[in-house]
Amino acid sequence: DIVMTQGVLPNPVPSGESASITCRSSKSLVYKDGKTYLNWFLQRPGQSPQLLTYWMSTRASGVSDRFSGSGSGTYFTLKISRVRAEDAGVYYCQQVREYPLTFGSGTKLEIK
Amino acid sequence: EVKLLESGGGLVQPGGSLRLSCAASGFTFTDFYMSWIRQPPGKAPEWLGVIRNKANGYTTEYNPSVKGRFTISRDNTQNILYLQMNTLRAEDTAIYYCAKGYYGYNHDYWGQGVMVTVSS
Repeated sequence: DIVMTQGVLPNPVPSGESASITCRSSKSLVYKDGKTYLNWFLQRPGQSPQLLTYWMSTRASGVSDRFSGSGSGTYFTLKISRVRAEDAGVYYCQQVREYPLTFGSGTKLEIK
Repeated sequence: EVKLLESGGGLVQPGGSLRLSCAASGFTFTDFYMSWIRQPPGKAPEWLGVIRNKANGYTTEYNPSVKGRFTISRDNTQNILYLQMNTLRAEDTAIYYCAKGYYGYNHDYWGQGVMVTVSS
């Protein structure tokens, strides 16, 4: 299985600052079509996960442009610009390159 | 508006069975892959499996962690997704979500989840 390893944030992050969440995969997530099969989700307390980006850098419908995904084949970053209280929660990366699809362990973001 | 509503959860004894349902609305059900994903309390989500769309013959894939015990199916006339769970174990205790797949595995909509507790 592809192992997804997420970094830790130095919490809390002051409102209005930027935050970068990292994720590393044990195998390249680039497929032969050139796409990188990496998703980012935000799970707010008591809610279901929400898709933020897919194919590493494509924002999902309705997601703020303050969220941007980037990376290489095995190292990925989700940058959140001008963090707001509503951005608080746990962020998960997920690889959808091969079965079984696997998630990282999560990165908690707290806002000050 | 896309809606996914899971049901069928509850308390079950080890070794027992349970069938979860996910009622879908607001989109053309047969056009989309549908996945089941679970999340033990306080832990990360775990993808359980997928059933593909009409164009891909409604075929299935499973996580080896549940393959042979769990079965995903769909009723395309009533727009319902199912998860049949057999030989349940304590470690199957989790919130179970159904999720719609955008371009396959980009889970763009999730249900609210249903709790399954396996305990004697």
